[in-house]
Amino acid sequence: TQLLEQSPQFLSIQEGENLTVYCNSSSVFSSLQWYRQEPGEGPVLLVTVVTGGEVKKLKRLTFQFGDARKDSSLHITAAQPGDTGLYLCAGAGNSGYALNFGKGTSLLVTP
Amino acid sequence: DAGVTQSPTHLIKTRGQQVTLRCSPKSGHDTVSWYQQALGQGPQFIFQYYEEEERQRGNFPDRFSGHQYPNYSSELNVNALLLGDSALYLCASRGWGRTGELFFGEGSRLTVL
Repeated sequence: TQLLEQSPQFLSIQEGENLTVYCNSSSVFSSLQWYRQEPGEGPVLLVTVVTGGEVKKLKRLTFQFGDARKDSSLHITAAQPGDTGLYLCAGAGNSGYALNFGKGTSLLVTP
Repeated sequence: DAGVTQSPTHLIKTRGQQVTLRCSPKSGHDTVSWYQQALGQGPQFIFQYYEEEERQRGNFPDRFSGHQYPNYSSELNVNALLLGDSALYLCASRGWGRTGELFFGEGSRLTVL
């Protein structure tokens, strides 16, 4: 059972466009992580957000954690073909051990 | 500094067989978790090992079992394979006490025919 719902499931855009992907849940998480996964590889951590309302920037990527710590968004500015991949959000409960992943957003950026 | 390494990278089994997947954690990490990622899905938590003991388990049947060795490496065993066990099996490691922030291996792709 996926506790985290990600939208959209698929996104195909052209280089230079902006995009936002969403991660929503009815559960509260102690922290939330965003990962990017490329074909044939394991997920790679992009960012961890912990505080409600927190905003973190990683170059052209902006991550926000909802005030109630139930949802998050990832905004990419001026997308590039190198941004292509599966973006996964994952929430950690109070124990912090197991991560609950969403199904992911598959992003394709074409030149 | 070697990251998380998994073996084998790909394997094919038939229904009813048993499989063992292996994982070496990132240097300095002592906690290993296993996840199952079916096609088109996000990873699903199977279990986590620390100090050679299973510390937490997800919603997986007893056919899924594991082991952790004193050198922190780990194995995932699946018995009586079903077609639905076909998936990418991911191993992840971190230091004990550090919540979230996992480092993943490239995974073992299991196909059950």
